[in-house]
Amino acid sequence: GAVVSQHPSRVICKSGTSVKIECRSLDFQATTMFWYRQFPKQSLMLMATSNEGSKATYEQGVEKDKFLINHASLTLSTLTVTSAHPEDSSFYICSAGPIQETQYFGPGTRLLVL
Amino acid sequence: DQQVKQNSPSLSVQEGRISILNCDYTNSMFDYFLWYKKYPAEGPTFLISISSIKDKNEDGRFTVFLNKSAKHLSLHIVPSQPGDSAVYFCAATVYGTSYGKLTFGQGTILTVHP
Repeated sequence: GAVVSQHPSRVICKSGTSVKIECRSLDFQATTMFWYRQFPKQSLMLMATSNEGSKATYEQGVEKDKFLINHASLTLSTLTVTSAHPEDSSFYICSAGPIQETQYFGPGTRLLVL
Repeated sequence: DQQVKQNSPSLSVQEGRISILNCDYTNSMFDYFLWYKKYPAEGPTFLISISSIKDKNEDGRFTVFLNKSAKHLSLHIVPSQPGDSAVYFCAATVYGTSYGKLTFGQGTILTVHP
């Protein structure tokens, strides 16, 4: 299957700082990538669709100014959590796919905001 | 509005027996369905998918069945192994127009006992 990586796997930061999470497709190109968030014992919640060369599309209720998405190349999308607060602590996962209907997920990034 | 539902939060099965995980959907536009397996603190791993033009798809120990009239799909794992213990998510999408955007169920925790 296709390989998607994420970096970092875990990050701890102070409240008010910004954190950048990278999502890379390692063996294919992806014009579209997706960012999800998972709270403990809950399902995956789609946050936004990252579009290469254009603006991201955010799901209802997701603050676009807080969760900045940049898809600068066909293999890299970044999610920046700006002015992070403890309630932003979560598990963030990205996905992409050589065939869009079959998405492959990164290993996830655990964010803890103190 | 939960468009994809996994009504069983958990399932416990003996090693070697069959595991049957169920999923229902309400959106009749969905025509492509996927199953993912997820371990804690990891991203979901793609298992198997099925298009609405089929009613069955098999890959090794995993078989997915689709009943379009009932808007129901199931994942069969035979024989079940302890390493199959994980959270299983079903997901649905509209092929060709959703560009990989998946709607997930809540997940079912499968425990396979030796």
